[in-house]
Amino acid sequence: NAGVMQNPRHLVRRRGQEARLRCSPMKGHSHVYWYRQLPEEGLKFMVYLQKENIIDESGMPKERFSAEFPKEGPSILRIQQVVRGDSAAYFCASSPSRDGYEQYFGPGTRLTVT
Amino acid sequence: LAKTTQPISMDSYEGQEVNITCSHNNIATNDYITWYQQFPSQGPRFIIQGYKTKVTNEVASLFIPADRKSSTLSLPRVSLSDTAVYYCLVGANTDKLIFGTGTRLQVFP
Repeated sequence: NAGVMQNPRHLVRRRGQEARLRCSPMKGHSHVYWYRQLPEEGLKFMVYLQKENIIDESGMPKERFSAEFPKEGPSILRIQQVVRGDSAAYFCASSPSRDGYEQYFGPGTRLTVT
Repeated sequence: LAKTTQPISMDSYEGQEVNITCSHNNIATNDYITWYQQFPSQGPRFIIQGYKTKVTNEVASLFIPADRKSSTLSLPRVSLSDTAVYYCLVGANTDKLIFGTGTRLQVFP
């Protein structure tokens, strides 16, 4: 059973470009979470999605960031017009249900904005 | 969500037992205590969760006193591969995990 998959693992973008990060949850998991981690810091929650629905986006910046989890295909975190401050590791996690505190994390996408 | 306080870093040697204590003075009645482990360049990994007293699994033990204002993660006989950052999280079993800065454990040979 494959774990949570994220791609790309590394992404370099110039300021002003768009970044698209993909996350395929574990098989049978319909709950997806995105977190951002700056160097030497803990992870910060961004958004929680179920299939086709955004459940909690309280951690998402109001502008330039969006997320989706379509009925078919991976979850996408999209960052428009990236700035240097967006450089970070972005982790996706999935879980089989809403209850419980055990989430399964992917290897992360390291975004570098030049 | 209850705030947690844990040491920034700890050092140990292979074969020793490591105990990492986390303070959570304002823990709520329905909050659980959960620990995650994160290796460099990897996503966090669930280690253990408990509500009160003691919980043990194949990786670690979690000790929670009666007042639940603190908890201790115990790693028996650590090896070099246990070098990682350990996060203590406190909250109800809800959707988002709230990570602090964690404890950076360095294991020496």
